[in-house]
Amino acid sequence: KNQVEQSPQSLIILEGKNCTLQCNYTVSPFSNLRWYKQDTGRGPVSLTIMTFSENTKSNGRYTATLDADTKQSSLHITASQLSDSASYICVGSTLGRLYFGRGTQLTVWP
Amino acid sequence: GAVVSQHPSWVICKSGTSVKIECRSLDFQATTMFWYRQFPKQSLMLMATSNEGSKATYEQGVEKDKFLINHASLTLSTLTVTSAHPEDSSFYICSARGEVSYEQYFGPGTRLTVT
Repeated sequence: KNQVEQSPQSLIILEGKNCTLQCNYTVSPFSNLRWYKQDTGRGPVSLTIMTFSENTKSNGRYTATLDADTKQSSLHITASQLSDSASYICVGSTLGRLYFGRGTQLTVWP
Repeated sequence: GAVVSQHPSWVICKSGTSVKIECRSLDFQATTMFWYRQFPKQSLMLMATSNEGSKATYEQGVEKDKFLINHASLTLSTLTVTSAHPEDSSFYICSARGEVSYEQYFGPGTRLTVT
């Protein structure tokens, strides 16, 4: 069964701190692994897309890692800002379909 | 970058009425468009996939007669919620994919509230 699990469900950090979000996926055959940021009441915005051969990809303060052997991915946010408060969704892609995790709700406090 | 718009951004309707939501790709031709539904604190759930000029493919459990999808052009798809009921209240998000890239670009979503 294709599915994506994320942890933690929610996370609160202080502005300026770093954090790491986790994702376990079972998507087969595997095409790519994506991370999206979704602000409340808005559509998801792509942060990174990684294929099987990529084990790390950065987008500004966001760095995603991928371990295709253990089927795990992480999203590291550096020097968090108040605007980082959002839901971060891990998505596995296979055969043109996307499988969404429930997201990690990140809250950054001043 | 590729931009997808949705209209309206929010809508309130009375139970029993129908509501149409538009999804447009503004700067690329979308051969495939997807419609998702998202309940609070839940993941996006695919409702249907539509290819330009052909009938939409609905996911299991999604009533095709209730959620009418039309993809008449390469830049426009519409979702009509017919005879809406309070349980249809949700956040509806579309995405669009072009011919070349496997990337899906998401719209900003439409909040539907049925009273």
